[in-house]
Amino acid sequence: GDSVTQMEGPVTLSEEAFLTINCTYTATGYPSLFWYVQYPGEGLQLLLKATKADDKGSNKGFEATYRKETTSFHLEKGSVQVSDSAVYFCALSDRAYGQNFVFGPGTRLSVLP
Amino acid sequence: NAGVTQTPKFRVLKTGQSMTLLCAQDMNHEYMYWYRQDPGMGLRLIHYSVGEGTTAKGEVPDGYNVSRLKKQNFLLGLESAAPSQTSVYFCASSYDSVRGWTEAFFGQGTRLTVV
Repeated sequence: GDSVTQMEGPVTLSEEAFLTINCTYTATGYPSLFWYVQYPGEGLQLLLKATKADDKGSNKGFEATYRKETTSFHLEKGSVQVSDSAVYFCALSDRAYGQNFVFGPGTRLSVLP
Repeated sequence: NAGVTQTPKFRVLKTGQSMTLLCAQDMNHEYMYWYRQDPGMGLRLIHYSVGEGTTAKGEVPDGYNVSRLKKQNFLLGLESAAPSQTSVYFCASSYDSVRGWTEAFFGQGTRLTVV
């Protein structure tokens, strides 16, 4: 079945550091790819998405590019802030897999002032 | 905009007790999902529904039952709670991806402890 693998955390960075969280996937069909963010005590919120190869999703300074050839969707941000501290989930939705969302294990990011 | 609302937010059960978690969405979404979140395991799909009156098993359905009698509601039941069901439960909904893609909208979660 479909699956998502992402780098294990926790990741601890200083404010203004560069962030990369790696994500790779396997899918039966042609999935849409997502990054969700979960702040403490809250549900998951969509951070960004990409629906076809070479699409770049972006939001709040975060970016990720859909790379079909490497089956990857790495999350990047050039300068993190303390307020970015959260858990980040890579996910896919594959209509060939019943439109269910498959999530990676999550990566906890802590940004220190 | 309420979005996806889960009740209750917290609950402590004794082993063997039963309970129902309620999920309500006001976005007229066709699809609804129940996930459980455990440390280091991400979100795992318990059951899902592709429309009113339909349900299907996900990755970890054992010990749970669901019902979707109304389009806006999706109920998750635990008939006889076990400590292994201690987890945070999330409900989500999405519209049909006929236009090529969709996204999941999540509730705030229910933290369940079984002692």
